[in-house]
Amino acid sequence: GNSVTQMEGPVTLSEEAFLTINCTYTATGYPSLFWYVQYPGEGLQLLLKATKADDKGSNKGFEATYRKETTSFHLEKGSVQVSDSAVYFCALSGGGSNYKLTFGKGTLLTVNP
Amino acid sequence: EADIYQTPRYLVIGTGKKITLECSQTMGHDKMYWYQQDPGMELHLIHYSYGVNSTEKGDLSSESTVSRIRTEHFPLTLESARPSHTSQYLCASSEWGLGRSNTEAFFGQGTRLTVV
Repeated sequence: GNSVTQMEGPVTLSEEAFLTINCTYTATGYPSLFWYVQYPGEGLQLLLKATKADDKGSNKGFEATYRKETTSFHLEKGSVQVSDSAVYFCALSGGGSNYKLTFGKGTLLTVNP
Repeated sequence: EADIYQTPRYLVIGTGKKITLECSQTMGHDKMYWYQQDPGMELHLIHYSYGVNSTEKGDLSSESTVSRIRTEHFPLTLESARPSHTSQYLCASSEWGLGRSNTEAFFGQGTRLTVV
């Protein structure tokens, strides 16, 4: 079945540091890949997505590239801000699943001023 | 911004009470989902619906029940709340089934339930 493995947290960075959160996946077929973000006390918001190999999703300074050869979708940001503190979830749809998003376990990011 | 709403946002209730968590969406989506989020942040699908009068159990067994009488409305009910039901509950919807690529889910803001 499908699975998503993302970097264990928590991750603590200083403002303006470079961020990478690793995400790898296992799926059949051609899944779409997502990063969702959950701010404290809130639901999930879609941060970015990519629907086919070599696509790059980007939003709010975050980027992730769909790498089929390494089955990866790592999240990066060049300069984090305190307001980026949140939980980040990597997820996939399709890839043989009939009815659900498959989520990673989430990575808590804390950015200190 | 996604048009999916959950009420209440926070609920503290005594053991044995019956509760209903509301979820409504104005996007006309046929597919709707309930996720339970444990304190460790992990998300578990507990119910989903592919349309009116369609409901299925998800991956994580739950004592809750759901109904789908109208497209826009997908309430979750606990007949007798217990402390083990304390969790965050997230409702979501999608235009297409999530087994289809290029389908994203839109989430509500969640209901944080505490049973004392």
